[in-house]
Amino acid sequence: EVQLVESGGGLVQPGGSLRLSCAVSGFTFSDHYMDWVRQAPGKGLEWVGRSKNKANSYTTVYVASVRGRFTISRDDSKNSLYLQMNSLKTEDTAVYYCTRVFFYVGSGYYPDSWGQGTLVSVSS
Amino acid sequence: DIQMTQSPSSLSASVGDRATITCRASQGIGSDLAWFQQKPGKAPKSLIYAASNLHSGVPSRFSGSGSGTEFTLTISSLQPEDFATYYCQQHYGSPLTFGGGTKVEIK
Repeated sequence: EVQLVESGGGLVQPGGSLRLSCAVSGFTFSDHYMDWVRQAPGKGLEWVGRSKNKANSYTTVYVASVRGRFTISRDDSKNSLYLQMNSLKTEDTAVYYCTRVFFYVGSGYYPDSWGQGTLVSVSS
Repeated sequence: DIQMTQSPSSLSASVGDRATITCRASQGIGSDLAWFQQKPGKAPKSLIYAASNLHSGVPSRFSGSGSGTEFTLTISSLQPEDFATYYCQQHYGSPLTFGGGTKVEIK
């Protein structure tokens, strides 16, 4: 069974840092791209960024609003994905989800499994 | 960035009704579209990829169609567990943008 479990959320002051983790099981983590998606309280979903797999040089891409402040990394030996968040702003307050991205032959890369999310609150 | 616009933002329907949600892209995205379902307090669930393909385990009453700039998600006969918020997301170009969501409520 595919499982993704986020952790590391909490309350942080503006300008502070936080590192989220996503521990996965039930599949070969190293084969897959992984995404982070967030949802501000009462709002819609926002894609944060993507980590490609080793075969694609672990390339990362980000939405403009977090580029330069957030860093996605992964440790395939620990089956874990990370989101390092620096220079946090009040508008970064959200539930953060990690998702497994599955490659469908002929169709491309799409998220197919989601973690339960972890809440990040940025407030003074 | 590619803008995704969903309509309606909410719809009220009864069990057994057919529900249709539209998602429009600000530019052509081929068939590079996904649909998700989210219930209150829960993580989203992946329903459809590449505009019309159901993820494993998704009931056949869900279907997706469209290409280019206009897409639809149809629920052929609403069941009690289908009342939720639905989101589309384009996978044509980065950033992978979501629509604003459509809340399907019980009439």
